[in-house]
Amino acid sequence: EVQLVESGGRLVQPGGSLKLSCAASGFTFSGSAMHWVRQASGKGLEWVGRIRSKTNNYATAYGGSVKGRFSISRDDSRNTVYLQMNSLKTEDTAVYYCTRHVAYIGDWYVFDPWGQGTLVTVSS
Amino acid sequence: DIQMTQSPSSLSASVGDRVTITCRASQSISTYLSWYQQKPGKAPTVLIYAASSLPSGVPSRFSGSGSGSDFTLTISNLQPEDFAVYYCRQSYSVPVTFGGGTKVETK
Repeated sequence: EVQLVESGGRLVQPGGSLKLSCAASGFTFSGSAMHWVRQASGKGLEWVGRIRSKTNNYATAYGGSVKGRFSISRDDSRNTVYLQMNSLKTEDTAVYYCTRHVAYIGDWYVFDPWGQGTLVTVSS
Repeated sequence: DIQMTQSPSSLSASVGDRVTITCRASQSISTYLSWYQQKPGKAPTVLIYAASSLPSGVPSRFSGSGSGSDFTLTISNLQPEDFAVYYCRQSYSVPVTFGGGTKVETK
């Protein structure tokens, strides 16, 4: 069974840092790109960023609201992807999901599955 | 960034109804459009990719159509488990962007 389990969410003060983890199992993690998506309470989905596989040079990309503050990394030996969040703002408060990039022929891809999410609260 | 606009933001329907949700992109995205369903307190799940293709395991009452900048998700014969929030998502370019969501509620 493909499974993603996020951890590391907690209360943090504005300006602080936090590192989230997402442990993967049930598939060839090293060959998969991975994404982070967040959702503020009662709001919609916002793409945070992604990291590609070693084959694709671990290339990263980020959404505009987090670019320069957040970074994504991975440890293929631990089947884990990370989200390092710096200079946190109150508007970063959200549930953070990791999700697997599943590619189809023709460059189409979906996010499947998603983890259960981990809550990050930025408040003083 | 490509903006994705969904309509309506919410709708009321009954079991057995046919429901249609639309999604419009701010520029052409070919068929790089997927749909996700999210139930309360749960993570999203994928329903449609490439605008009209169903991943294995998704019930056939879900269908998608469109290309370019206008897309629709149709649920025929709405079932009790289909009351949820639906999101479209474009993957034509980075950053990936989602529509604002459509909540399907019980009439």
